[in-house]
Amino acid sequence: AQRVTQPEKLLSVFKGAPVELKCNYSYSGSPELFWYVQYSRQRLQLLLRHISRESIKGFTADLNKGETSFHLKKPFAQEEDSAMYYCALSVNSGGYQKVTFGTGTKLQVIP
Amino acid sequence: ETGVTQSPTHLIKTRGQQVTLRCSSQSGHNTVSWYQQALGQGPQSIFQYYREEENGRGNFPPRFSGLQFPNYSSELNVNALELDDSALYLCASSSWTVTGELFFGEGSRLTVL
Repeated sequence: AQRVTQPEKLLSVFKGAPVELKCNYSYSGSPELFWYVQYSRQRLQLLLRHISRESIKGFTADLNKGETSFHLKKPFAQEEDSAMYYCALSVNSGGYQKVTFGTGTKLQVIP
Repeated sequence: ETGVTQSPTHLIKTRGQQVTLRCSSQSGHNTVSWYQQALGQGPQSIFQYYREEENGRGNFPPRFSGLQFPNYSSELNVNALELDDSALYLCASSSWTVTGELFFGEGSRLTVL
């Protein structure tokens, strides 16, 4: 069974400081990993996916299969980055795209 | 392009009652999945529907059931409500061909007393 672990419930950083939101996963196959974000009073939305290897809003995430990690990073935090971040693992099982979410990390950027 | 809409936004039920939640998927999406999000937790997959059939299910009992209609809208039904069913229920639509990219509604918050 797959599992996603986000060890930090809350991460507080000052504006301009680097951010790293941790995510570890447990899955024996080839994972597809994602970061979802929920800003205040908005719906949950996709931030980025590992296969696209792109930077969204200055965030990047690299899949490290050796450490089974998919940490989300940004070199300089902005106040508008304050939100709830969820790491997610998608597994295709006979057509069923089961997406497993972590418990989430609340990022608080202090002005 | 219309996004995912859910109704009702809030509702209160008592233990043992039944509830139906509704979801309209984003245009062009043929897959709908339902998630339960308890307080302080991430969303947990209840089940997924594709072409009006349930094609996968998370660790939820049979009293959680659903339907998908020809226009890809969907319902989640929960029978014999229990106190632990109190949660935010999220509907997400996606394209069959794009794995893991989910478009969420704003959710229906269910309180069971």
